[in-house]
Amino acid sequence: AQSVTQLDSQVPVFEEAPVELRCNYSSSVSVYLFWYVQYPNQGLQLLLKYLSGSTLVESINGFEAEFNKSQTSFHLRKPSVHISDTAEYFCAVSERQAGTALIFGKGTTLSVSS
Amino acid sequence: KAGVTQTPRYLIKTRGQQVTLSCSPISGHRSVSWYQQTPGQGLQFLFEYFSETQRNKGNFPGRFSGRQFSNSRSEMNVSTLELGDSALYLCASSLARPTGNEQFFGPGTRLTVL
Repeated sequence: AQSVTQLDSQVPVFEEAPVELRCNYSSSVSVYLFWYVQYPNQGLQLLLKYLSGSTLVESINGFEAEFNKSQTSFHLRKPSVHISDTAEYFCAVSERQAGTALIFGKGTTLSVSS
Repeated sequence: KAGVTQTPRYLIKTRGQQVTLSCSPISGHRSVSWYQQTPGQGLQFLFEYFSETQRNKGNFPGRFSGRQFSNSRSEMNVSTLELGDSALYLCASSLARPTGNEQFFGPGTRLTVL
């Protein structure tokens, strides 16, 4: 069985500061990895994904995540955050073989203040 | 291209009643998954339908059921509602597997059980 642990439930930061949201996973098989973002009263939006190839993946709005197989981690980073990045962020995994079920972490609330 | 739509957006029911939620996937998407989101349990996978067949199921009681129609639209039904069923129910669609399991989420239906 798979599991996802997001190590921080809340991360408060100031605008223009760097941020790292941590995610560790457990699985006995190969997985796909995802970060989703949820703004208040909205559904989930895919931020970025790791399927194969380069272990560093980037989003269009400046976030990046690195897949580390030995540490079973997929931490999300941004060098300089904006107020508009305030949201809840979810790390998720799915088995490559089992279909499309996503297993989510509990989420990390990123609060950016000025 | 229109996104995933869910109806209704908000619903209030009383214990013991039943409820049906609807989801229309992105045009061309044949897989529809359902997730329950609560503050305590986070995001949990309910089930996934592909070509009108349930091909994956999470760990929920039989009161939770679903179906998919030939046009890929899906409905989820919860019978004998309990207070603990209050949650945001999210629907997600994807093309098919294997596609990296990228899922596109709708805005959700907020169910309140009184």
